[in-house]
Amino acid sequence: EPEVTQTPSHQVTQMGQEVILRCVPISNHLYFYWYRQILGQKVEFLVSFYNNEISEKSEIFDDQFSVERPDGSNFTLKIRSTKLEDSAMYFCASSGPFRGANVLTFGAGSRLTVL
Amino acid sequence: AQRVTQPEKLLSVFKGAPVELKCNYSYSGSPELFWYVQYSRQRLQLLLRHISRESIKGFTADLNKGETSFHLKKPFAQEEDSAMYYCASHQGGSEKLVFGKGTKLTVNP
Repeated sequence: EPEVTQTPSHQVTQMGQEVILRCVPISNHLYFYWYRQILGQKVEFLVSFYNNEISEKSEIFDDQFSVERPDGSNFTLKIRSTKLEDSAMYFCASSGPFRGANVLTFGAGSRLTVL
Repeated sequence: AQRVTQPEKLLSVFKGAPVELKCNYSYSGSPELFWYVQYSRQRLQLLLRHISRESIKGFTADLNKGETSFHLKKPFAQEEDSAMYYCASHQGGSEKLVFGKGTKLTVNP
């Protein structure tokens, strides 16, 4: 069964550093998402991406965050200058190919620890 | 704003006992409701969605619009059902899934 692949599985970084989390969505999916889960809290929506642009973002997704699909297969989340409160598990997901399918396939997650 | 409430953080039952994981949502329209499950050291995966009206691994969930609930039920729990269960809703016109906080189900032998 096809899977969404995320790297790295765990990253430790210093506050203020830039971090890039990578995802390879399922190949025929068209909609891509990032969610995060701070320890002990809910899984929260960050951003959705379709047709090479952001289709929706949450209030969490401020100017420190950006997403990109640089080469047609990878889907990346960049945090420009990490803060302690960015420590969380970040999940990539994809869906499609039909709009409105709303059935997300999640990756295993990337745990980010900001020191 | 959408909100999904799972009132039980932890739920523990014995093998063979019935189990019900509660989920309530707040949305005035017609949301699409889902249950996702995360087994130990595995990824979050879809268990079932209300529009499919199917039973997966013996679990069913009925959307009750009057009570704004989407409780997950299984008549006879198995040890392999032990996992974290998340209820989620999707509102038309938005891309996002809104998740509840999750319920950790433990099925004891």
